[in-house]
Amino acid sequence: GAVVSQHPSWVICKSGTSVKIECRSLDFQATTMFWYRQFPKQSLMLMATSNEGSKATYEQGVEKDKFLINHASLTLSTLTVTSAHPEDSSFYICSAPGVPSYNEQFFGPGTRLTVL
Amino acid sequence: QKEVEQDPGPLSVPEGAIVSLNCTYSNSAFQYFMWYRQYSRKGPELLMYTYSSGNKEDGRFTAQVDKSSKYISLFIRDSQPSDSATYLCAMEGGSEKLVFGKGTKLTVNP
Repeated sequence: GAVVSQHPSWVICKSGTSVKIECRSLDFQATTMFWYRQFPKQSLMLMATSNEGSKATYEQGVEKDKFLINHASLTLSTLTVTSAHPEDSSFYICSAPGVPSYNEQFFGPGTRLTVL
Repeated sequence: QKEVEQDPGPLSVPEGAIVSLNCTYSNSAFQYFMWYRQYSRKGPELLMYTYSSGNKEDGRFTAQVDKSSKYISLFIRDSQPSDSATYLCAMEGGSEKLVFGKGTKLTVNP
C-alpha cells in the first residue's frame, strides 16, 4: 500500500518560534496532500489542501499566514507553523490520495507539536 | 446537525465478541465511505473503503453502507485485544475532502 511519512514525529518549541513539518509520499507521487489537526479526544479537522505547483487552499478559519504550506515536489509538502503559541499545540497529520483509487487517502504517522 | 455523527463511546467488549460501530450522516452527496483505525498517538490507518451502498468484507471486518438511511457500519468479528483503538468513519462526496466522525474508542479485553 501507499506509504506516507512525516518528520519530525514530535517537536517541542518555545512560544514565538517557527516549526516546519515535512510530509513525504514514499512510493508514489502526490500532486495533492492534505493537512489535518487533531486535538485530544477530537476528530481530524482539515486545515488545508496542498497543491503541487500552486498555492494551498485553506479551510475557513485557518490563518494562511500562520500555517504556511509549500508543496515543493510531487513527493514533499511542508507545513510551517509560524510564531507558534501554546494554543497551536496539537497533533498534525498529513495525508495523500492513493493510486489508482484517488478517493482512498493514506495518512502519515503524525507530528505532535508542543509549544511552551 | 453535524455532517457526520459517531458515538464516541468508549466501547468495551470481551475478546471474541462481535463489535458493531456506526456512523450517520446528513449530506446526501457523500459517495465514498471509509473506516480508519487509529492507535494512540499514531496516524489513521485505512481499514475499509466502500463506494456507494452495499457490503464489503475483508477478513474479520465487514463494512456496510445504507445510503437510503444515511447510515454506515463496521463489524468486527472475533475481536482481539490488538483491535483496541479508536475507529473513525470518514466520507467524501467528490470534493476530495474527507469529513470525519469523532471516532469511537474500542477496548477489547482479554
